[in-house]
Parts: sequence; structure tokens; C-alpha cells
Amino acid sequence: GGIITQTPKFLIGQEGQKLTLKCQQNFNHDTMYWYRQDSGKGLRLIYYSITENDLQKGDLSEGYDASREKKSSFSLTVTSAQKNEMAVFLCASSLRDWGGAEQYFGPGTRLTVL
Amino acid sequence: AQSVTQPDARVTVSEGASLQLRCKYSYSATPYLFWYVQYPRQGLQMLLKYYSGDPVVQGVNGFEAEFSKSDSSFHLRKASVHWSDSAVYFCAVSASGGYKVVFGSGTRLLVSP
Repeated sequence: GGIITQTPKFLIGQEGQKLTLKCQQNFNHDTMYWYRQDSGKGLRLIYYSITENDLQKGDLSEGYDASREKKSSFSLTVTSAQKNEMAVFLCASSLRDWGGAEQYFGPGTRLTVL
Repeated sequence: AQSVTQPDARVTVSEGASLQLRCKYSYSATPYLFWYVQYPRQGLQMLLKYYSGDPVVQGVNGFEAEFSKSDSSFHLRKASVHWSDSAVYFCAVSASGGYKVVFGSGTRLLVSP
């Protein structure tokens, strides 16, 4: 089996601050994802990366940047944190399987902006 | 574009009772359909997925789901729930040939003793 590690577990920032979240996977999966989870709104896709040198915008990419440093790691940057923002950011990975692949999720990073 | 609707934000059932969690999807072609579960303070885990074949698909821990093309639905069922099934359940859809997975808003299941 494998594991997805997200750091940090909790992130507290100030309004306007640039914040970076990191994700590592040891499944040797090609495809990685970043989702934002808000209470009562399910998961919304921010960015995904099909392979090591690829970046694709999701439905919620505005206000975020992403970086796929290597096959095993995928970072997300909040470019300017919004006051009173609270959300959980989930990283996931999967085989490159044309939409049908199971996604494996990390435990999340909980963001609070003061 | 794909979309998923889970009409029930919260469902409460008694332990040992049967369960159905509803999911309706919108997609013009045949999609991949998934159910994921999120236990407290954990990431999501896949319960089952469907693409083609027998419309009733079996998953882990006694869960099953039934695909209906005519109704655009993919409801999750379990014959007898256990207190440990208390969690948030997400229905999801993706297109064949695509990598974007669209999740529903989730249904929080509470199993009462």
C-alpha cells in the first residue's frame, strides 16, 4: 500500500498572506489533485496534474497556484489569503486511467485565515 | 458539463436498519460513477465504482449501488447499518477520457444505537 502525506495539518494565516500547502505520495501514481472542501459544499477541484510535467486548472483555480515538483509531490499556493476564510484542502492521487481510476486521498490541511 | 446532486444533506437511521443514500447525476454520455466515504478526521476512501455491465455494483463493507440510466441515478444501499458506518458519503462522476471528477455535496449519515 501507499500513503499520502499533507503538510501542514493546520495552517493559520493572515489576510493577504501567501500560503503554501504540500502533498507527497508514495503510490508512484502519475495523476495528482488538489480539492477544497467547504462545509456543506462537497469537494471542488482547484488544480490537477496528469503527469509529472503537467498542470491543469480546475473549477476553482482563481486565487491559487500549483506546482508539480516531481512525480511524488504536488504543492498548492494560496496567493492571497482571504479574511475569515476557513476550509480543508485535500490532496489526492490516482493512476492515469482515463477517468475511471480510484483516487486516494490525504487527511487534509485545515486552513484558517484571521 | 457533469454535475452531481445529493438531495439529502443529513440522514439518520437506526443501527440494523437498511439504508439508501440518493445520488442523481447529469452527464450526456456514459460516465464513471463513484461513491466515496469520509470518516471523521480522515481523507476520503472509495467504496465502489461503476462504468458498465451489471447495474448493481458491490463495494466494500456490504455497500452496493444501483445505476439507472433512465433515472440518471446511482443510489447507495446497505441492508443493515452499523454504528461505524456513521460518516459523510460523497457521490462522484467523471467522464471517460477525462480526469476531472465532480463530487456531490455529500450526505452525512448518523447511525443511532
